[in-house]
Amino acid sequence: NAGVMQNPRHLVRRRGQEARLRCSPMKGHSHVYWYRQLPEEGLKFMVYLQKENIIDESGMPKERFSAEFPKEGPSILRIQQVVRGDSAAYFCASSRTAPDEQYFGPGTRLTVT
Amino acid sequence: SQQGEEDPQALSIQEGENATMNCSYKTSINNLQWYRQNSGRGLVHLILIRSNEREKHSGRLRVTLDTSKKSSSLLITASRAADTASYFCATVPNYTGANSKLTFGKGITLSVRP
Repeated sequence: NAGVMQNPRHLVRRRGQEARLRCSPMKGHSHVYWYRQLPEEGLKFMVYLQKENIIDESGMPKERFSAEFPKEGPSILRIQQVVRGDSAAYFCASSRTAPDEQYFGPGTRLTVT
Repeated sequence: SQQGEEDPQALSIQEGENATMNCSYKTSINNLQWYRQNSGRGLVHLILIRSNEREKHSGRLRVTLDTSKKSSSLLITASRAADTASYFCATVPNYTGANSKLTFGKGITLSVRP
């Protein structure tokens, strides 16, 4: 059973560009979570989705950030017009039910130059 | 604000010794989870303990939960150099609605000397 997959693993964007981060949950998992980790800090919750629905987006910045989890395909975290402060590691996690163990992907390290 | 606060922030021990890490939290929880993160890598789920449980074991890991003190501890017995990593506690709050998000502490850096 493959784990949570994230791609790309590393992403470099210039200021003002768009970043798209993808997450494929574990097989049989319909709950997806996105977290952000800044250097030397713990993870901060961003958004919680189930298929086609955003359940909790209380951790998402109000502007430039959006997330989706379509009926088919991976979950996407989209950051428009990136700024240097968006540089961080973005982790996706999935769970079979909620609340339950969350299994994390390897992360996408975004660098904004 | 941080829900989980780990203690100590850093711990250095000799291989074979036991490592004890503590976590305190502020609000009522549904469950508490411990994770390990090796440098530059993703998080590995270690153990989940629910609010109605007091102790759980998994291999060399032992987790306790004291809801009256809002605290948990993670004990790693007979530590190995490979246990060197950052350890995080994370809580899921106990309220109705969208209650699945994890709130993480800042983590504990464990170094196990060979």
